[in-house]
Amino acid sequence: DTEVTQTPKHLVMGMTNKKSLKCEQHMGHRAMYWYKQKAKKPPELMFVYSYEKLSINESVPSRFSPECPNSSLLNLHLHALQPEDSALYLCASSQGPGQGGHEQYFGPGTRLTVT
Amino acid sequence: GIQVEQSPPDLILQEGANSTLRCNFSDSVNNLQWFHQNPWGQLINLFYIPSGTKQNGRLSATTVATERYSLLYISSSQTTDSGVYFCAVALRRSGGSNYKLTFGKGTLLTVNP
Repeated sequence: DTEVTQTPKHLVMGMTNKKSLKCEQHMGHRAMYWYKQKAKKPPELMFVYSYEKLSINESVPSRFSPECPNSSLLNLHLHALQPEDSALYLCASSQGPGQGGHEQYFGPGTRLTVT
Repeated sequence: GIQVEQSPPDLILQEGANSTLRCNFSDSVNNLQWFHQNPWGQLINLFYIPSGTKQNGRLSATTVATERYSLLYISSSQTTDSGVYFCAVALRRSGGSNYKLTFGKGTLLTVNP
């Protein structure tokens, strides 16, 4: 099964709210990713976790806080977001270092609107 | 960083027609993937093809790594093929760069009945 699941599908939040996006995979992958996609643009990498450790942070503002509680789960905690943070947030996973292969598999995304 | 250019940016076809989408990249890669993004935003894996040729039904892809380009062929197109096609690559480097997929801007394909 090559499935990555994300919840919620849609999220509307105010600029003072705190919310979390969740991602789960059961493929035994040890690398997990968050991407952000604005309308009519390609996805852009935000964070990479490798073996539950933060491996890449693409200079993302601190109002986005990732967390990898175990090898199957990835969270993105959101706080004090701005309207320009409204976007589709995509989670992905792939085999990690030493597992061989680099193909990334994406979840269906969470469509976030910040009001 | 690595540059990824896709062409054409837009393509309109009649059902049944064939098409070729192109992806040029500026550096050696160890990952090249083709995706189809459906209207709901889901990125569907079409091919993982850092080199060589693969076929899956009406779709096939070829990557010539030494010349830094990849082609996606769609034959006998159907209306359900409509959407955005992305090429994405990751650099052939040790360390973290292996994991960073850089996407092209995509090709918007519209297949009319």
